Amino acid sequence: EPEVTQTPSHQVTQMGQEVILRCVPISNHLYFYWYRQILGQKVEFLVSFYNNEISEKSEIFDDQFSVERPDGSNFTLKIRSTKLEDSAMYFCASSEGVQPQHFGDGTRLSIL
Amino acid sequence: RKEVEQDPGPFNVPEGATVAFNCTYSNSASQSFFWYRQDCRKEPKLLMSVYSSGNEDGRFTAQLNRASQYISLLIRDSKLSDSATYLCVVDSGGYQKVTFGIGTKLQVIP
Repeated sequence: EPEVTQTPSHQVTQMGQEVILRCVPISNHLYFYWYRQILGQKVEFLVSFYNNEISEKSEIFDDQFSVERPDGSNFTLKIRSTKLEDSAMYFCASSEGVQPQHFGDGTRLSIL
Repeated sequence: RKEVEQDPGPFNVPEGATVAFNCTYSNSASQSFFWYRQDCRKEPKLLMSVYSSGNEDGRFTAQLNRASQYISLLIRDSKLSDSATYLCVVDSGGYQKVTFGIGTKLQVIP
């Protein structure tokens, strides 16, 4: 069964540094998403991406965040200047139509 | 009212038991509803979509009540492997953004 893959599985970064999280969505999917889950809390929507542009974003997705689809397969989330509170599990998801979404196994981001 | 509300549990049930979870949502324009399952520190995995007519997949049955804005999940003949957190997920009214509930933790005990 095709799946969403994410790299790295764990990223440790100093506060203030830039970090890029990578995702390869399922190949025939057209919609891409990033979510985060702080330990012990619920999964939170960050951004959705369709037709090479952001289609929706949450209030969490401020100017420190950006997404890109640099080629036909990768989908990246960049955090420009990381803060301690950015420590979380970040999930990428993709969908063929608007729903349902299929999730990758996540990148654990630890900010020191 | 929270956008998507679930009882966090935990629900501790013996093997073979039937257990039901409910979830309420606040956006009357929501059109798509799902149950996902999440194991500890893993990604959410789609369990089933929820339709107005109700749907069943083996031991799992999902129901949607639009008038009361709640969704239910029934698990029959619980297995140890059903132990997980069950996430209620609702769209924002036909858009791509979905909102997750906090999840209901289920522990099936031998």
